[in-house]
Amino acid sequence: EDKVVQSPLSLVVHEGDTVTLNCSYEVTNFRSLLWYKQEKKAPTFLFMLTSSGIEKKSGRLSSILDKKELSSILNITATQTGDSAIYLCAVEVGAQKLVFGQGTRLTINP
Amino acid sequence: GAGVSQSPRYKVAKRGQDVALRCDPISGHVSLFWYQQALGQGPEFLTYFQNEAQLDKSGLPSDRFFAERPEGSVSTLKIQRTQQEDSAVYLCASSLPRTSGSYEQYFGPGTRLTVT
Repeated sequence: EDKVVQSPLSLVVHEGDTVTLNCSYEVTNFRSLLWYKQEKKAPTFLFMLTSSGIEKKSGRLSSILDKKELSSILNITATQTGDSAIYLCAVEVGAQKLVFGQGTRLTINP
Repeated sequence: GAGVSQSPRYKVAKRGQDVALRCDPISGHVSLFWYQQALGQGPEFLTYFQNEAQLDKSGLPSDRFFAERPEGSVSTLKIQRTQQEDSAVYLCASSLPRTSGSYEQYFGPGTRLTVT
């Protein structure tokens, strides 16, 4: 059975801190790994990773995939209260089907 | 441009009632997906359409769940004889085809279904 596991499940930090969120996977047909941010409603797309070792960056967020270790990390530097959300990791298996992890609930305190 | 829209945003159904949830994908997106998200969990795949063809329905939990996309745009997820365990947020997503090279899925705001 395809499985995606995220850690930690919950994280509370102070504004300005740097955080690292983890995602590991065991799937039979890996095609890509995606990160989404979910606030009250729709998950919003952050990154799609297909190649190992190539960092993707958008502002204070960055992510990298390690296919040897079957894992990915999402880094957020200089966190702000607006970064508070649930961060979802998903692995594409087969034809665009996504298997999601449970999510990491990130809380940034001022 | 407009994103993925879903209606209704909230639905309360009595156990045993039938419900229909609607999804309007982003214009031009040929791929459409339905997910179920229980409280505190990540979304779980239900079914996938490419245009009007339902290519994967392996995630539908029972034969009470049925999805259609007859003209290759709007989709409806129907749940017959609802049960309490059907209570969840139902998310719809759409994307360009995988062959486009830029095929990340864009999600709608979801329909929160509560079965009493």
